Amino acid sequence: DIQMTQSPSSLSASVGDRVTITCRASQGISNYLAWYQQKPGKVPKLLIYAASTLQSGVPSRFSGSGSGTDFTLTISSLQPEDVATYYCQKYNSALGTFGQGTKVEIK
Amino acid sequence: QVQLQESGPGLVKPSETLSLTCAVSGYSISSGYYWGWIRQPPGKGLEWIGSIYHSGSTYYNPSLKSRVTISVDTSKNQFSLKLSSVTAADTAVYYCARKGSSTSPDYWGQGTLVTVSS
Repeated sequence: DIQMTQSPSSLSASVGDRVTITCRASQGISNYLAWYQQKPGKVPKLLIYAASTLQSGVPSRFSGSGSGTDFTLTISSLQPEDVATYYCQKYNSALGTFGQGTKVEIK
Repeated sequence: QVQLQESGPGLVKPSETLSLTCAVSGYSISSGYYWGWIRQPPGKGLEWIGSIYHSGSTYYNPSLKSRVTISVDTSKNQFSLKLSSVTAADTAVYYCARKGSSTSPDYWGQGTLVTVSS
């Protein structure tokens, strides 16, 4: 059973800062990795799939990288509307296991 | 447009069985895809509970496997979740979603809050 580990669990940054969140899989998952943004009371929103492909309509300040076991989500210039919790998810099998989440706040 | 809608009791007593249904419109379940259940306890992260393939094959999270049953009713174009022997720790928003064999979930329901309390 593949486990997904995200870090950090929370972060606080200033508007305009570059923010990086990491996700590690306990076994290689190629590029079967997605990133979601979730705001309180809302359904998770898909940001990136296939580790680095931006979902249509998602701002270009979001980017993803990685393959195998190590992955990164980067927000190039943090905006107030980016305050949310971010989850990675592996989807290379019937079970789409999530990371624990990273809560992003504005300093 | 594919749409998923969860339904079921919002309150379940401890030790009883939680039962939810996800009605699918805009796509025939029997045509393909995995159909999954995800939950999120208040203030906590997302947990994939399990999935059922359109053929009826099931896949469960090992941590919940002993208590979970997912089934599909192709005649009604819906799939269901049963979670037995619930406790307060099973209080959560429950989502249903569609997932490809090698793609991320592309359609989600809006979620339904189930509270376990006497």
